[in-house]
Amino acid sequence: GAVVSQHPSRVICKSGTSVKIECRSLDFQATTMFWYRQFPKQSLMLMATSNEGSKATYEQGVEKDKFLINHASLTLSTLTVTSAHPEDSSFYICSARRGLLQETQYFGPGTRLLVL
Amino acid sequence: AQKITQTQPGMFVQEKEAVTLDCTYDTSDQSYGLFWYKQPSSGEMIFLIYQGSYDEQNATEGRYSLNFQKARKSANLVISASQLGDSAMYFCAMRVTGTASKLTFGTGTRLQVML
Repeated sequence: GAVVSQHPSRVICKSGTSVKIECRSLDFQATTMFWYRQFPKQSLMLMATSNEGSKATYEQGVEKDKFLINHASLTLSTLTVTSAHPEDSSFYICSARRGLLQETQYFGPGTRLLVL
Repeated sequence: AQKITQTQPGMFVQEKEAVTLDCTYDTSDQSYGLFWYKQPSSGEMIFLIYQGSYDEQNATEGRYSLNFQKARKSANLVISASQLGDSAMYFCAMRVTGTASKLTFGTGTRLQVML
């Protein structure tokens, strides 16, 4: 299967700071990447769809000014949580779709964010 | 709107036995895709198996098979010869058509394999 990495794997930050999470497709080019959020013992909720070279498409209820997404290349998408607050603490997972005709999304290992 | 339902919050199975994890879906689209992912305690989401709505054969990948019953809108995952390493959360998901392959996930089933 395809390999997707995320960095960092876990981060602890103070309230009010910004945190950047990177998602990389290591062995394929990803025209589309997705960012999900998962609360403990719950399912994944899609936050936004990131397309290389264009603006991200955010799901309803997700603040685009708070969760900044940049998909600068075919192998890298970043999610920046701006002015983080304790309620932003969560597990953030990215996924990448390999090409336009590929159905399967391959997921990164996730990033655990704790905002104090 | 698409919806995925997993009615089993938790399941137990004896090692080496087979287990079926239930998944039903609701969509008005004719073209869709169904996925199963495994999430161990480490958090990573591991792709297991995919079934397209037009696929006539049930998908199989090693010990995983998907029991696809289109008329009943069900896509149950069958794991044969369970192993201790199969203990994890299992999520059923559906691709949303026409929207860059967004996935809608079910609530998951926690599988515990016992000795």
